[in-house]
Amino acid sequence: EIVMTQSPATLSVSPGERATLSCRASQSVSSNLAWYQQKPGQAPRLLIYGASTRATGIPARFSGSGSGTEFTLTISSLQSEDFAVYYCQQYNNWPPLFTFGPGTKVDIK
Amino acid sequence: QVQLQESGPGLVKPSETLSLTCTVSGGSVSSGSYYWSWIRQPPGKGLEWIGYIYYSGSTNYNPSLKSRVTISVDTSKNQFSLKLSSVTAADTAVYYCARVSYDYHGHYYFDYWGQGTLVTVSS
Repeated sequence: EIVMTQSPATLSVSPGERATLSCRASQSVSSNLAWYQQKPGQAPRLLIYGASTRATGIPARFSGSGSGTEFTLTISSLQSEDFAVYYCQQYNNWPPLFTFGPGTKVDIK
Repeated sequence: QVQLQESGPGLVKPSETLSLTCTVSGGSVSSGSYYWSWIRQPPGKGLEWIGYIYYSGSTNYNPSLKSRVTISVDTSKNQFSLKLSSVTAADTAVYYCARVSYDYHGHYYFDYWGQGTLVTVSS
C-alpha cells in the first residue's frame, strides 16, 4: 500500500506571498498525482492532475511539479480565496487504486 | 455542466447497512469515458476513497473497506449507488460521489463532485 504524506500540516501565509506545499509518496507513483482544494463545507475541487497539468478553469498562479515520490504545489501569489485545505491524491496499478494525503491547511498569517 | 447529487438516509444504526445513491445530470453513467466513485470524509478529517464502478458494472474497492462495500450502477436512471454493511460509529462521515476522468497519458482524477451528504451512525 502506498502511503502519502503532506507537509507542513499547516502553512501560515500572508496574502500576496508565495506558498509551497509538499506531498511525498512512500514509493514511486510516477506522475500519477493530483491536487485538490477544499474550503469549509464544500466538496474538494480539482486543481492539478498528472502532477503538473492544471484542470479547466484553474488560475495560472497554481502550479504543480515533481515525479516519482516528491511533489510540490505552488501558489505564486496567495489570494484571499486560496485559504483552504489542499490534498494530494495518487493512483497506482491497474485497475487504479486511489489514496489521498492527509492535507495541508493554508491559513492567513 | 455535469452535476452529481447524493441522496439517502442521514442516520443509520450500528450494524446496519448504509445505502446512498448518486444521481448524475448533464452527463451519462453509460459513457465509457469515465468511472463513477464514492469518497468519504469523517468530520474534521481527511478524504478516503471507497471505490468506483464502470458503466459495464466492473468495480474496484479500497482494500480496507472491500469486505463491506458494494457499488452498483443503474444506467436506466443515470444513477450509481453505495452500500456499506455492518456500520459502526467510525463510518460516520460526509459521503461524496464523484466522476473519475482520465487522459490519454493514463492520468486519473476526480473532476466532478457532488456536494456531499453527512451520514451519522448512531443508535
